[in-house]
Amino acid sequence: AQSVAQPEDQVNVAEGNPLTVKCTYSVSGNPYLFWYVQYPNRGLQFLLKYITGDNLVKGSYGFEAEFNKSQTSFHLKKPSALVSDSALYFCAVRVANDYKLSFGAGTTVTVRA
Amino acid sequence: GAGVSQSPSNKVTEKGKDVELRCDPISGHTALYWYRQSLGQGLEFLIYFQGNSAPDKSGLPSDRFSAERTGGSVSTLTIQRTQQEDSAVYLCASSASGTHSSGNTIYFGEGSWLTVV
Repeated sequence: AQSVAQPEDQVNVAEGNPLTVKCTYSVSGNPYLFWYVQYPNRGLQFLLKYITGDNLVKGSYGFEAEFNKSQTSFHLKKPSALVSDSALYFCAVRVANDYKLSFGAGTTVTVRA
Repeated sequence: GAGVSQSPSNKVTEKGKDVELRCDPISGHTALYWYRQSLGQGLEFLIYFQGNSAPDKSGLPSDRFSAERTGGSVSTLTIQRTQQEDSAVYLCASSASGTHSSGNTIYFGEGSWLTVV
């Protein structure tokens, strides 16, 4: 079975400060990891993914994430947060030869001006 | 189309009525998913279609829920005799393929926001 944990329900940061949203996973086999963002009353938007290769992946809107196999983590980061980054963020995982995407519970990010 | 299209975007229905939710996936995508997002439950897998293969219905919460995909493209999720606990956002998603390309991105629609009163 595969699972994802997002240990923080909420993250609050000031605009211009670094933003980190944490994600850990549990799978049998090699993970494929994804981050999605959901703005109020909208669907999920794809941000970035790790499949293989470089552990640091870059995605949309200046976000990046680092895959750490030993810590089974895939934390989302942004060097300088914007008020417009305030949203609900989901980490998700699936494994090779599987189609189901398993999601974490989500982390609400609030960036204050 | 350019993205996954869902309709209706919002639906208010009376308890006991049937509802149909429609999804039009990205053109050329063979894999189609339905997920449900409700308060306190997170994102819940409902059903998966891949090409002409039999769908994976393992996530459907009860026999009041059914889904079909006609012609390998448009999908309809039907909820019969709706209950208040069915109130949620129903998200459709598609990807270029399923099992053998697990690295492919799954793209989501804007969702159908269902309220049962």
